Amino acid sequence: KQEVTQIPAALSVPEGENLVLNCSFTDSAIYNLQWFRQDPGKGLTSLLLIQSSQREQTSGRLNASLDKSSGRSTLYIAASQPGDSATYLCAVPTQGGSEKLVFGKGTKLTVNP
Amino acid sequence: GAVVSQHPSWVICKSGTSVKIECRSLDFQATTMFWYRQFPKQSLMLMATSNEGSKATYEQGVEKDKFLINHASLTLSTLTVTSAHPEDSSFYICSARTLRNTEAFFGQGTRLTVV
Repeated sequence: KQEVTQIPAALSVPEGENLVLNCSFTDSAIYNLQWFRQDPGKGLTSLLLIQSSQREQTSGRLNASLDKSSGRSTLYIAASQPGDSATYLCAVPTQGGSEKLVFGKGTKLTVNP
Repeated sequence: GAVVSQHPSWVICKSGTSVKIECRSLDFQATTMFWYRQFPKQSLMLMATSNEGSKATYEQGVEKDKFLINHASLTLSTLTVTSAHPEDSSFYICSARTLRNTEAFFGQGTRLTVV
């Protein structure tokens, strides 16, 4: 059964700092991994999708890496801003290329001005 | 990216009543949509897969008679919480993809409070 763990559960940093969020999953036979952002009481915003054939994806100040063999992914946020404050969720398919997703509990990020 | 719209964004209902939540794909067709539930400080948990033109498939432990799913068109899936009880209070959110193995897009979510 696929399980996803995200560390740390919460992170507070001063504005401008670079930071790394971690995600690990138990079943490495996945087709892709997706990172989301969730603001309080809101839905999920897709940030990055990494296919199993890729090692990383970049979007603006965000960079996500994927190491399938070790069952790990990281989300790197450069030059953090207060507007980056949110909960970041990592999700992988329940198995292989399933469209069903298993989520971690998320990392709650607070960027202080 | 693609847009998934969910309505209502929040609802308060009395115990024993039913509540319908709509999920629409606004700029694409979705033969499959997914319904998740999120309790406070917990991760999203998949409840069921909504299939256009056929019955929904439910995850283990989810009561199909309590959570009725209808996927009547390629752009609309509805989740009806029947005979709601306070323990059904949660954040319900739907998702869909434009194509297999591509990004999953999520609606805004619906905060259900049963009093």
